[in-house]
Amino acid sequence: ILNVEQSPQSLHVQEGDSTNFTCSFPSSNFYALHWYRWETAKSPEALFVMTLNGDEKKKGRISATLNTKEGYSYLYIKGSQPEDSATYLCAFVGSQGNLIFGKGTKLSVKP
Amino acid sequence: SQTIHQWPATLVQPVGSPLSLECTVEGTSNPNLYWYRQAAGRGLQLLFYSVGIGQISSEVPQNLSASRPQDRQFILSSKKLLLSDSGFYLCAWAVGGPNEKLFFGSGTQLSVL
Repeated sequence: ILNVEQSPQSLHVQEGDSTNFTCSFPSSNFYALHWYRWETAKSPEALFVMTLNGDEKKKGRISATLNTKEGYSYLYIKGSQPEDSATYLCAFVGSQGNLIFGKGTKLSVKP
Repeated sequence: SQTIHQWPATLVQPVGSPLSLECTVEGTSNPNLYWYRQAAGRGLQLLFYSVGIGQISSEVPQNLSASRPQDRQFILSSKKLLLSDSGFYLCAWAVGGPNEKLFFGSGTQLSVL
C-alpha cells in the first residue's frame, strides 16, 4: 500500500506570516507529484505538477520544491493572506499512473 | 473553454436505495475521466477511471459501478447503497497522462441514512 503523508494536518497563521508544509511519498517508482488547493465550497484547483528531482515551481506567493530521492515535497506560502485559507492536497503518481492523494493540510489565515 | 458539471450537489438516500451521479465535461474531446471519493478523515480515493467510451477501470472493490456511455459523460451508480458509501464524491477530467493536472467538478455530498 502506497502512503502519502502530509504534515501538519492543520495550521493556523496570522496574515503576513510565511508558512510551509510537507508532503512525504514513496521514493521509488516516482512519476510525478501534484499539488492542489481546495477552498471551502469550491472544487480542488491544481497548483503545480512536478516531475523532476530538484524541481522548484512558483505561482505568485506560493512555491514548491521536490526531492524525489528522499521522497518529499515542500509547499511554501510567503506573506499569507486570508484568501490563502484552504486545504492543500498533494498527490503522488507512481509507475501505475494513478494519483494517490494525501489527507491534506488545512490552512487558516487570520486577518 | 473547458467546463465540468457534476450533479446533484447534495443527496440524502436511505440504505438499500439506488444511486446515480452524473458528470459531464464540455469543451474537450476524449478526456480521461475519474471518480474520487473523500470519506470522513481520509484523503481522496480513486474509485474509477476511464480513458474512453465504455472503458472503465475500477481501483477498489466496492458497492459502486461506473459507466461512460458518451465521450464526455461519466456516471457513478449503485444498485443498493450502504452506510459506508457516505462521503464526498468528485468527478475529474484530464487530457493526457498522469503528469497532467486534474480538473475537478464541484462535488456531491452523499449521506446514506
